[in-house]
Amino acid sequence: GENVEQHPSTLSVQEGDSAVIKCTYSDSASNYFPWYKQELGKRPQLIIDIRSNVGEKKDQRIAVTLNKTAKHFSLHITETQPEDSAVYFCAAPSSGSARQLTFGSGTQLTVLP
Amino acid sequence: DAGVTQSPTHLIKTRGQHVTLRCSPISGHKSVSWYQQVLGQGPQFIFQYYEKEERGRGNFPDRFSARQFPNYSSELNVNALLLGDSALYLCASSLVPGSGNTIYFGEGSWLTVV
Repeated sequence: GENVEQHPSTLSVQEGDSAVIKCTYSDSASNYFPWYKQELGKRPQLIIDIRSNVGEKKDQRIAVTLNKTAKHFSLHITETQPEDSAVYFCAAPSSGSARQLTFGSGTQLTVLP
Repeated sequence: DAGVTQSPTHLIKTRGQHVTLRCSPISGHKSVSWYQQVLGQGPQFIFQYYEKEERGRGNFPDRFSARQFPNYSSELNVNALLLGDSALYLCASSLVPGSGNTIYFGEGSWLTVV
């Protein structure tokens, strides 16, 4: 099955700085890579995703880059704000018939005012 | 439009009891998946259903079972509850199963086993 590793586990940045979270995956057939944001006590919410036919995707202050050769993808948040503080999860499809998502272990991002 | 709805939102059970969690997918979505999220970890896949058929099962014991109804809603059942079953149980829906199809999570059911 798919193995997704996520780093770092915790990340603190000053408000206005950039934050980068990296994930690696094992299944070279994986073709879809979503990122979820989970605030304390709430559900994971999709913030951005990328498919394997592109190398980068942006949505305002959030971007995701994908390197299929190296099998890693990254989340970039620019001009961070206190409301960006949350746990972020990356995910990739497993190789089983259901192609269910395998999630990384999460990154606790803290944006310091 | 309503998102994924789950019930109950919170519940407390005693070891050895049984629990049933319910989920209604987004209108038009035919695939439902269940995930378990233990505190401090990422969601772990339990089941996926599509058109009332089980399409996938994660590494969970037989105490866990699920089903999908003709209206695409779903139930997750857990028998003989253990303390370690305490977690947030998330239901997710997508139009159809398979890689590349965006899944949307419900608010979850917080289960505490005492």
